[in-house]
Amino acid sequence: AQKITQTQPGMFVQEKEAVTLDCTYDTSDQSYGLFWYKQPSSGEMIFLIYQGSYDEQNATEGRYSLNFQKARKSANLVISASQLGDSAMYFCAMREVNTGNQFYFGTGTSLTVIP
Amino acid sequence: EAQVTQNPRYLITVTGKKLTVTCSQNMNHEYMSWYRQDPGLGLRQIYYSMNVEVTDKGDVPEGYKVSRKEKRNFPLILESPSPNQTSLYFCASSLFWQEGTQYFGPGTRLLVL
Repeated sequence: AQKITQTQPGMFVQEKEAVTLDCTYDTSDQSYGLFWYKQPSSGEMIFLIYQGSYDEQNATEGRYSLNFQKARKSANLVISASQLGDSAMYFCAMREVNTGNQFYFGTGTSLTVIP
Repeated sequence: EAQVTQNPRYLITVTGKKLTVTCSQNMNHEYMSWYRQDPGLGLRQIYYSMNVEVTDKGDVPEGYKVSRKEKRNFPLILESPSPNQTSLYFCASSLFWQEGTQYFGPGTRLLVL
């Protein structure tokens, strides 16, 4: 089974609108971390936001927020007030703490912001 | 400046010719890792290291070797590269496992002919 599933290969959003990128995960570990990374066309991987499995509040970093629904095993990224510079690939990732500390990445969502 | 560096950034080689991709970080991070990125597959972890002299296999370790003799360096070795190892490779590091946030190097594009 896939550890991280991103079901949206591509998304479009109008500039200044909000967009939600979906991510579901699969783990039996009680302690894990969830991450989102951005990869612009230049290729570098940029860390956006982190949510720990024991964190009760959703993580926020500027225009990014992580909608963490533990029972549903989802960790959706919400980008508010989209900007042209948000056009990029977005990857959801998970790290299982008690079962080896391995990282798992999803296949990514390509976001295009339309002027 | 805190950073993860990789060398070379681009490499074209031939099947069977041993190569090493270096990775170095200046943040005193314990955790270091190698990934490969292929279209439609996302990033897949090759090997990771929790500390000096401690390495573990990720999802796709076949055909790769690593070593962690010093905290700052984590080289990736392809003893006998094959065309299916053509990929974009990333090295990454993080401070403690609890923190979890990884910092990535700029990537190495490898073409094996």
